[in-house]
Amino acid sequence: QKEVEQDPGPLSVPEGAIVSLNCTYSNSAFQYFMWYRQYSRKGPELLMYTYSSGNKEDGRFTAQVDKSSKYISLFIRDSQPSDSATYLCAASPGSSYKLIFGSGTRLLVRP
Amino acid sequence: GAVVSQHPSRVICKSGTSVKIECRSLDFQATTMFWYRQFPKQSLMLMATSNEGSKATYEQGVEKDKFLINHASLTLSTLTVTSAHPEDSSFYICSARGRGSYNEQFFGPGTRLTVL
Repeated sequence: QKEVEQDPGPLSVPEGAIVSLNCTYSNSAFQYFMWYRQYSRKGPELLMYTYSSGNKEDGRFTAQVDKSSKYISLFIRDSQPSDSATYLCAASPGSSYKLIFGSGTRLLVRP
Repeated sequence: GAVVSQHPSRVICKSGTSVKIECRSLDFQATTMFWYRQFPKQSLMLMATSNEGSKATYEQGVEKDKFLINHASLTLSTLTVTSAHPEDSSFYICSARGRGSYNEQFFGPGTRLTVL
């Protein structure tokens, strides 16, 4: 079993839809959770960074962590075609540890 | 802030040659740098972690004599693929982590290596 599991998709939604991207993890020691966006043939871009449980909002993006169920989510409101990319979740036990990545979910937002 | 650059962005070489890829943190000091490899439509595979002034720590299955990593300063790390072969063709991405507000991993744009 991988430490961080993510549905590879692809997930196809119409423009303006609310997108929900999810990951599950198995290591209860994970405290730090990140979401990265990666466009084709580019390096990943850090979108959201959360510590422990709770919600964090930044513009159209909301990251949610539920440590009781080991479930992390990224919501994108008013999705745009420019949001079409692969979204990677990542987790680690501490800030000085290496990140464990999910396999990535490919998102396609149709105009 | 938190910009990481990589050079070159793309390299094509003949089998048997060595290729060096540079990773620089442009606006912060990177205490730790990471090197990843990514195959098409797959996730990132961590190859090694390097701390400034220390030897790199390689992940299981990664040949340290083939993938030489040097982290000589707080802003520069290099990955040298020695005696490259076609199976080494891949997308190589570095990331850097600093202190304080830069205590997250920021990725470079990646280097596409093609070995003929």
